Amino acid sequence: NAGVMQNPRHLVRRRGQEARLRCSPMKGHSHVYWYRQLPEEGLKFMVYLQKENIIDESGMPKERFSAEFPKEGPSILRIQQVVRGDSAAYFCASSPSSDGEQYFGPGTRLTVT
Amino acid sequence: KNEVEQSPQNLTAQEGEFITINCSYSVGISALHWLQQHPGGGIVSLFMLSSGKKKHGRLIATINIQEKHSSLHITASHPRDSAVYICAVRLNAGGTSYGKLTFGQGTILTVHP
Repeated sequence: NAGVMQNPRHLVRRRGQEARLRCSPMKGHSHVYWYRQLPEEGLKFMVYLQKENIIDESGMPKERFSAEFPKEGPSILRIQQVVRGDSAAYFCASSPSSDGEQYFGPGTRLTVT
Repeated sequence: KNEVEQSPQNLTAQEGEFITINCSYSVGISALHWLQQHPGGGIVSLFMLSSGKKKHGRLIATINIQEKHSSLHITASHPRDSAVYICAVRLNAGGTSYGKLTFGQGTILTVHP
């Protein structure tokens, strides 16, 4: 049973471009969380999704950021018109239930130049 | 003041020493997680606790719900234990509990041979 997969592992974007980060949860997991780790800072919650639904997006910046978890395929975190301040490690975690243990992916390290 | 505080922020030990990392939180929680992150690496979930004590190999985690405090202990520490250890809590949200995590700042552990 493969773990949580994230791709790409490293992503470089110029200011103004779009970044799309993908997260494939563990088999049988329908709950996905996205977290962001800014340089020299701790992890922060961004969004919680359950298949096809956004349950809590209280940690997402109001503009330029969006997330989805379609019926088929991976969860996508999309950042439009990236700025230098978006440079961070983005981790997703999946869980089999709303209050179950979370399993983290390896992260995507986004660098905005 | 952060909802989750860890101490110490940095910890240096000699191989073989017994190590304790502490986590205090100021809110009602339904579970507490201990996570491990190697430099530039992914995040591994070590424990999820809601009461009492758990042990896995050389790692022991305890939680005291009344005192809002948890400890992570490493017995017979080894250089490969060098990593950042992160405490994270799942808040009680008006009777609804789901897995959104609030993180401490992490403890950087270095174990010298």
